[in-house]
Amino acid sequence: DTAVSQTPKYLVTQMGNDKSIKCEQNLGHDTMYWYKQDSKKFLKIMFSYNNKELIINETVPNRFSPKSPDKAHLNLHINSLELGDSAVYFCASNMPHAGSGQETQYFGPGTRLLVL
Amino acid sequence: AQSVAQPEDQVNVAEGNPLTVKCTYSVSGNPYLFWYVQYPNRGLQFLLKYITGDNLVKGSYGFEAEFNKSQTSFHLKKPSALVSDSALYFCAVGSGGATNKLIFGTGTLLAVQP
Repeated sequence: DTAVSQTPKYLVTQMGNDKSIKCEQNLGHDTMYWYKQDSKKFLKIMFSYNNKELIINETVPNRFSPKSPDKAHLNLHINSLELGDSAVYFCASNMPHAGSGQETQYFGPGTRLLVL
Repeated sequence: AQSVAQPEDQVNVAEGNPLTVKCTYSVSGNPYLFWYVQYPNRGLQFLLKYITGDNLVKGSYGFEAEFNKSQTSFHLKKPSALVSDSALYFCAVGSGGATNKLIFGTGTLLAVQP
């Protein structure tokens, strides 16, 4: 069974469209994350939710809106897609130990978004 | 602010030779350090982490990493490289606190030649 899953795996769309990426984890973790990997493979945190509550919002444009219907799911909705949004988006989850930074994050397979 | 640096964009090694992928860190407080591997068109897989205790940490696929506090380094090592080890390797530090995020290095591409 896949621990952290994302759909879709690939997403090709036109500039200006709105799209969503879904993430689910079956590890029983409380915290979920979205990371963005750009064309140079650089990875950066975008959002984090702990038990459905937004914890991190790292200066991401308002066009990006995460939603967590329950602690096993964290979706990412992107409005008015731009060329610069083309990237690989990774979902991750962990069970934080009192916010210590010690806990391993487990990553999904990624969603490869291409905006034309 | 927490940060990690991977000084090499690419490391080339012959199969069967030992490999080292370098990482240095800058943190305030206790360093919680991680190594992840990304195979082509795949997600990130956890290899190992240092939290406390023994400076030599053993991980998956025969990899190990040595924590060196005086040199603020956490280099990834393997005694004998395999062609299948060819991938992108990321060092990361756990930020802790309320945000509890991973801060990644820029990645090092490991190429193992047969």
